[in-house]
Amino acid sequence: DSGVTQTPKHLITATGQRVTLRCSPRSGDLSVYWYQQSLDQGLQFLIQYYNGEERAKGNILERFSAQQFPDLHSELNLSSLELGDSALYFCASSVAAGGETQYFGPGTRLLVL
Amino acid sequence: AQSVTQLDSHVSVSEGTPVLLRCNYSSSYSPSLFWYVQHPNKGLQLLLKYTSAATLVKGINGFEAEFKKSETSFHLTKPSAHMSDAAEYFCVVSGNAGGTSYGKLTFGQGTILTVHP
Repeated sequence: DSGVTQTPKHLITATGQRVTLRCSPRSGDLSVYWYQQSLDQGLQFLIQYYNGEERAKGNILERFSAQQFPDLHSELNLSSLELGDSALYFCASSVAAGGETQYFGPGTRLLVL
Repeated sequence: AQSVTQLDSHVSVSEGTPVLLRCNYSSSYSPSLFWYVQHPNKGLQLLLKYTSAATLVKGINGFEAEFKKSETSFHLTKPSAHMSDAAEYFCVVSGNAGGTSYGKLTFGQGTILTVHP
């Protein structure tokens, strides 16, 4: 158990809908990262928040957004969902802003029908 | 920009024989390199990490990796495979230290390790 929690574990929704994925980092970790794992794209970095501020951005679609709250938990919002958004979404956390070990949560499996 | 290439998409070994998973990286700076493992329907677990200290890095479960700058390689090895090692393994490089993308991890495409009894 990494200490990173993600909810929900599974999510089934329809195209055009909006969902919110939630992540609680390990106690004491200030950074939260979001990654997407799909069969065709592999594991891709989406976005990083550090102590409430956006720190780095990767291949995140404009339909997707994230935020980190004062208690350091983070939410990833996915809107206008398409079939291709079906994937496993991982959250990770680390102590500082980068370079150190990232600890991954168990992931949220999203299926868009 | 940094990148990682895992040279084998699948590796199959017999239990008790050595494991070699190959990884080459490309980076314009001195990177941090990681190996993560993902068991079926599980999250990602860190096996080991290189951060410019010793070039031979020991990890969990008997795995180790050697950083070779001249070859831009970071291959993962284990002397004797166990059935429980069957999983997907990812070679990972971090962003540039001091840059705003330092936390960005770039993953290889993964190597699926199968262990036969």
